Amino acid sequence: DAKTTQPTSMDCAEGRAANLPCNHSTISGNEYVYWYRQIHSQGPQYIIHGLKNNETNEMASLIITEDRKSSTLILPHATLRDTAVYYCIVRVPNRSSNTGKLIFGQGTTLQVKP
Amino acid sequence: NAGVTQTPKFQVLKTGQSMTLQCAQDMNHEYMSWYRQDPGMGLRLIHYSVGAGITDQGEVPNGYNVSRSTTEDFPLRLLSAAPSQTSVYFCASSPRQKAAFFGQGTRLTVV
Repeated sequence: DAKTTQPTSMDCAEGRAANLPCNHSTISGNEYVYWYRQIHSQGPQYIIHGLKNNETNEMASLIITEDRKSSTLILPHATLRDTAVYYCIVRVPNRSSNTGKLIFGQGTTLQVKP
Repeated sequence: NAGVTQTPKFQVLKTGQSMTLQCAQDMNHEYMSWYRQDPGMGLRLIHYSVGAGITDQGEVPNGYNVSRSTTEDFPLRLLSAAPSQTSVYFCASSPRQKAAFFGQGTRLTVV
Protein backbone atom coordinates (compact mmCIF):
# COMPACT_ATOMS: atom_id res chain seq x y z
CA ASP A 1 0.00 0.00 0.00
CA ALA A 2 1.27 3.46 -0.93
CA LYS A 3 2.50 5.82 1.75
CA THR A 4 0.67 9.09 2.40
CA THR A 5 1.86 12.46 3.69
CA GLN A 6 -0.43 14.88 5.49
CA PRO A 7 0.14 18.12 7.39
CA THR A 8 0.29 17.60 11.12
CA SER A 9 -2.35 20.17 11.98
CA MET A 10 -4.73 22.73 10.47
CA ASP A 11 -7.18 25.32 11.71
CA CYS A 12 -10.49 26.28 10.14
CA ALA A 13 -13.11 28.86 11.05
CA GLU A 14 -16.56 27.52 11.85
CA GLY A 15 -18.85 27.74 8.82
CA ARG A 16 -15.99 27.91 6.36
CA ALA A 17 -14.78 25.11 4.11
CA ALA A 18 -12.01 22.92 5.47
CA ASN A 19 -9.59 21.67 2.83
CA LEU A 20 -7.35 18.83 4.00
CA PRO A 21 -4.54 17.86 1.61
CA CYS A 22 -2.88 14.47 1.21
CA ASN A 23 0.12 13.51 -0.89
CA HIS A 24 0.39 9.96 -2.22
CA SER A 25 3.01 10.26 -4.96
CA THR A 26 3.71 6.50 -5.11
CA ILE A 27 0.08 5.48 -5.55
CA SER A 28 -0.54 2.66 -7.99
CA GLY A 29 -3.15 2.75 -10.72
CA ASN A 30 -5.55 0.45 -8.90
CA GLU A 31 -5.20 1.90 -5.41
CA TYR A 32 -8.09 3.83 -3.92
CA VAL A 33 -7.84 6.84 -1.61
CA TYR A 34 -9.81 6.48 1.65
CA TRP A 35 -10.46 9.10 4.30
CA TYR A 36 -11.33 8.36 7.92
CA ARG A 37 -11.58 10.62 10.93
CA GLN A 38 -11.24 10.06 14.65
CA ILE A 39 -13.06 12.31 17.07
CA HIS A 40 -11.58 12.54 20.54
CA SER A 41 -10.23 8.98 20.77
CA GLN A 42 -13.44 7.36 19.57
CA GLY A 43 -13.21 4.62 16.95
CA PRO A 44 -12.27 5.92 13.48
CA GLN A 45 -15.20 6.82 11.23
CA TYR A 46 -15.26 6.27 7.48
CA ILE A 47 -15.81 9.46 5.47
CA ILE A 48 -15.33 8.86 1.77
CA HIS A 49 -13.17 7.11 -0.81
CA GLY A 50 -12.37 7.39 -4.51
CA LEU A 51 -10.19 6.10 -7.34
CA LYS A 52 -9.73 8.91 -9.86
CA ASN A 53 -13.00 10.77 -10.19
CA ASN A 54 -14.07 13.35 -7.69
CA GLU A 55 -16.55 12.01 -5.16
CA THR A 56 -19.17 13.63 -2.95
CA ASN A 57 -21.38 12.30 -0.20
CA GLU A 58 -23.37 13.75 2.67
CA MET A 59 -20.25 14.29 4.75
CA ALA A 60 -17.60 15.57 2.37
CA SER A 61 -16.12 15.89 -1.10
CA LEU A 62 -12.95 14.24 -2.35
CA ILE A 63 -10.91 15.88 -5.08
CA ILE A 64 -8.19 13.72 -6.68
CA THR A 65 -5.66 15.31 -9.02
CA GLU A 66 -5.44 14.06 -12.58
CA ASP A 67 -2.09 12.38 -11.95
CA ARG A 68 -3.53 10.91 -8.72
CA LYS A 69 -0.44 11.89 -6.74
CA SER A 70 -2.46 14.00 -4.32
CA SER A 71 -5.98 14.56 -3.10
CA THR A 72 -7.99 16.99 -0.98
CA LEU A 73 -10.80 16.25 1.41
CA ILE A 74 -13.28 19.10 1.59
CA LEU A 75 -15.70 19.65 4.47
CA PRO A 76 -17.92 22.34 2.90
CA HIS A 77 -19.20 24.00 6.06
CA ALA A 78 -17.08 22.98 9.00
CA THR A 79 -18.67 22.87 12.45
CA LEU A 80 -17.11 22.52 15.88
CA ARG A 81 -18.08 18.84 15.81
CA ASP A 82 -15.75 18.33 12.85
CA THR A 83 -12.74 18.89 15.11
CA ALA A 84 -10.90 15.57 14.78
CA VAL A 85 -7.85 13.78 13.41
CA TYR A 86 -8.29 13.05 9.70
CA TYR A 87 -6.49 10.09 8.13
CA CYS A 88 -5.78 9.64 4.43
CA ILE A 89 -5.12 6.01 3.43
CA VAL A 90 -4.48 4.40 0.06
CA ARG A 91 -5.11 0.72 -0.55
CA VAL A 92 -6.34 -1.77 -3.12
CA PRO A 93 -9.88 -2.97 -2.45
CA ASN A 94 -10.42 -4.98 -5.60
CA ARG A 95 -7.49 -7.36 -5.52
CA SER A 96 -8.13 -10.95 -4.54
CA SER A 97 -5.40 -10.73 -1.95
CA ASN A 98 -6.95 -7.71 -0.31
CA THR A 99 -7.12 -8.30 3.39
CA GLY A 100 -9.24 -5.35 4.40
CA LYS A 101 -6.38 -4.01 6.50
CA LEU A 102 -5.73 -0.31 6.75
CA ILE A 103 -2.33 1.25 7.37
CA PHE A 104 -2.77 4.52 9.26
CA GLY A 105 -0.29 7.39 9.23
CA GLN A 106 -0.20 10.25 11.72
CA GLY A 107 -3.13 12.09 10.17
CA THR A 108 -4.03 15.79 10.28
CA THR A 109 -5.48 17.29 13.43
CA LEU A 110 -8.19 19.70 12.30
CA GLN A 111 -9.24 22.32 14.83
CA VAL A 112 -12.45 24.12 13.95
CA LYS A 113 -12.63 27.43 15.77
CA PRO A 114 -15.67 29.60 16.56
CA ASN B 1 -27.85 -4.21 14.41
CA ALA B 2 -25.23 -3.26 17.00
CA GLY B 3 -22.28 -2.90 14.59
CA VAL B 4 -18.88 -3.67 16.15
CA THR B 5 -19.00 -4.32 19.89
CA GLN B 6 -15.87 -4.38 22.03
CA THR B 7 -15.72 -5.54 25.63
CA PRO B 8 -14.58 -4.52 28.14
CA LYS B 9 -14.40 -0.74 27.64
CA PHE B 10 -11.77 -0.33 30.36
CA GLN B 11 -9.34 -2.79 31.93
CA VAL B 12 -6.43 -2.63 34.36
CA LEU B 13 -4.02 -5.56 34.41
CA LYS B 14 -0.97 -6.39 36.43
CA THR B 15 2.23 -7.23 34.62
CA GLY B 16 2.26 -10.88 33.66
CA GLN B 17 -1.49 -11.37 33.73
CA SER B 18 -3.30 -12.66 30.68
CA MET B 19 -6.64 -11.58 29.31
CA THR B 20 -8.82 -11.60 26.23
CA LEU B 21 -10.32 -8.55 24.57
CA GLN B 22 -13.58 -9.40 22.92
CA CYS B 23 -14.80 -8.14 19.56
CA ALA B 24 -18.09 -9.09 17.94
CA GLN B 25 -19.85 -7.86 14.81
CA ASP B 26 -23.36 -8.64 13.63
CA MET B 27 -23.01 -7.44 10.04
CA ASN B 28 -21.71 -10.73 8.60
CA HIS B 29 -18.47 -9.03 7.56
CA GLU B 30 -15.65 -11.19 6.21
CA TYR B 31 -12.78 -9.01 7.33
CA MET B 32 -11.90 -8.23 10.93
CA SER B 33 -8.82 -6.63 12.43
CA TRP B 34 -7.26 -5.35 15.63
CA TYR B 35 -5.38 -2.06 16.04
CA ARG B 36 -3.68 -0.38 18.93
CA GLN B 37 -3.32 3.34 19.43
CA ASP B 38 -0.77 4.82 21.79
CA PRO B 39 -1.12 8.41 23.06
CA GLY B 40 -0.65 10.97 20.28
CA MET B 41 -0.09 8.27 17.68
CA GLY B 42 -1.98 6.83 14.74
CA LEU B 43 -3.44 3.33 14.76
CA ARG B 44 -1.14 0.36 14.22
CA LEU B 45 -2.36 -2.99 12.93
CA ILE B 46 -1.85 -5.95 15.27
CA HIS B 47 -3.60 -8.90 13.60
CA TYR B 48 -6.25 -9.34 10.96
CA SER B 49 -8.53 -12.01 9.53
CA VAL B 50 -10.07 -12.45 6.09
CA GLY B 51 -12.59 -15.04 7.25
CA ALA B 52 -13.34 -17.74 9.79
CA GLY B 53 -10.29 -19.91 10.39
CA ILE B 54 -7.88 -17.49 8.68
CA THR B 55 -5.69 -15.01 10.54
CA ASP B 56 -2.45 -13.18 9.83
CA GLN B 57 -0.03 -10.77 11.48
CA GLY B 58 -0.05 -7.04 11.09
CA GLU B 59 2.61 -4.43 11.95
CA VAL B 60 2.92 -5.11 15.70
CA PRO B 61 1.85 -8.72 16.46
CA ASN B 62 4.30 -9.63 19.22
CA GLY B 63 2.67 -10.43 22.55
CA TYR B 64 -0.78 -10.98 21.05
CA ASN B 65 -2.68 -13.99 19.74
CA VAL B 66 -5.91 -14.14 17.78
CA SER B 67 -8.29 -16.77 16.47
CA ARG B 68 -11.38 -16.61 14.28
CA SER B 69 -13.62 -19.60 14.89
CA THR B 70 -16.77 -17.80 13.73
CA THR B 71 -17.51 -14.96 11.35
CA GLU B 72 -18.91 -12.86 14.19
CA ASP B 73 -16.11 -13.01 16.77
CA PHE B 74 -12.44 -12.05 16.71
CA PRO B 75 -10.93 -12.12 20.22
CA LEU B 76 -7.48 -10.69 20.96
CA ARG B 77 -5.45 -12.46 23.66
CA LEU B 78 -2.65 -10.91 25.66
CA LEU B 79 -0.53 -13.81 26.84
CA SER B 80 1.55 -12.06 29.50
CA ALA B 81 0.71 -8.39 29.84
CA ALA B 82 3.53 -5.86 29.86
CA PRO B 83 3.43 -2.09 30.57
CA SER B 84 4.34 -1.51 26.91
CA GLN B 85 0.93 -2.92 26.01
CA THR B 86 -0.85 -0.06 27.75
CA SER B 87 -2.88 1.39 24.91
CA VAL B 88 -6.31 1.81 23.40
CA TYR B 89 -7.33 -1.17 21.31
CA PHE B 90 -9.74 -0.91 18.38
CA CYS B 91 -11.44 -3.70 16.53
CA ALA B 92 -12.73 -3.19 12.98
CA SER B 93 -14.78 -5.17 10.51
CA SER B 94 -15.60 -4.72 6.86
CA PRO B 95 -17.26 -6.56 4.03
CA ARG B 96 -14.98 -7.49 1.16
CA GLN B 97 -13.72 -4.43 -0.74
CA LYS B 98 -15.71 -1.98 1.39
CA ALA B 99 -15.02 0.59 4.10
CA ALA B 100 -14.29 -0.59 7.64
CA PHE B 101 -16.44 -0.05 10.72
CA PHE B 102 -14.67 0.43 14.03
CA GLY B 103 -15.69 -0.35 17.59
CA GLN B 104 -15.44 2.23 20.36
CA GLY B 105 -12.25 0.85 21.80
CA THR B 106 -10.92 -0.88 24.91
CA ARG B 107 -8.68 1.22 27.13
CA LEU B 108 -6.08 -1.07 28.69
CA THR B 109 -3.63 -0.12 31.42
CA VAL B 110 -0.91 -2.54 32.50
CA VAL B 111 0.70 -1.72 35.85
